[in-house]
Amino acid sequence: SAVISQKPSRDICQRGTSLTIQCQVDSQVTMMFWYRQQPGQSLTLIATANQGSEATYESGFVIDKFPISRPNLTFSTLTVSNLSPEDSSIYLCSVSREITDTQYFGPGTRLTVL
Amino acid sequence: AQSVSQHNHHVILSEAASLELGCNYSYGGTVNLFWYVQYPGQHLQLLLKYFSGDPLVKGIKGFEAEFIKSKFSFNLRKPSVQWSDTAEYFCAVNDLPREYGNKLVFGAGTILRVKS
Repeated sequence: SAVISQKPSRDICQRGTSLTIQCQVDSQVTMMFWYRQQPGQSLTLIATANQGSEATYESGFVIDKFPISRPNLTFSTLTVSNLSPEDSSIYLCSVSREITDTQYFGPGTRLTVL
Repeated sequence: AQSVSQHNHHVILSEAASLELGCNYSYGGTVNLFWYVQYPGQHLQLLLKYFSGDPLVKGIKGFEAEFIKSKFSFNLRKPSVQWSDTAEYFCAVNDLPREYGNKLVFGAGTILRVKS
């Protein structure tokens, strides 16, 4: 499995600001994904980060709120924009080497919005 | 769209007791099935997976799961739990295979506490 790191591990942000989360993998991977885990709930896929093209968003998630970049095969960022307390969650990056392969998860970023 | 049900949100067992966590999914096409585990203070880890072949899958730390296609189920089992198995367990199913990769749909999770 790949070694995945995320920065920051946690942050406390003010309402109306933005937070950018970085995901770094130790080797090239085909697929990178971003998930959200709201308090007391399960994981929900936000989007698939596509290298060299726009991310593919799931229903209920939009690019203006969750812009994603993926400049290469080992790195992606997720920005959570115009923060509100409802955005307080854990945000996780996952990767898979091939399109239909197993997904492995990063340690997550715990975001608290005041 | 695919959905995943985990029947128990909290389970408390004594050490050496047997464990079975239920997982059912809604869509009956070709699926890949996973169990992930999150130990306290650690990140989500793969416990076991089923892609094809023998429906009884063995994973790490003595866990196994059985895929029963007719019941849309993928229950997790362990004959004798240990205190160190205290964790949250998530069942996940891939959605329809797509050009952009398999979307994982997660169940709500089951928090297991093992009493020593």
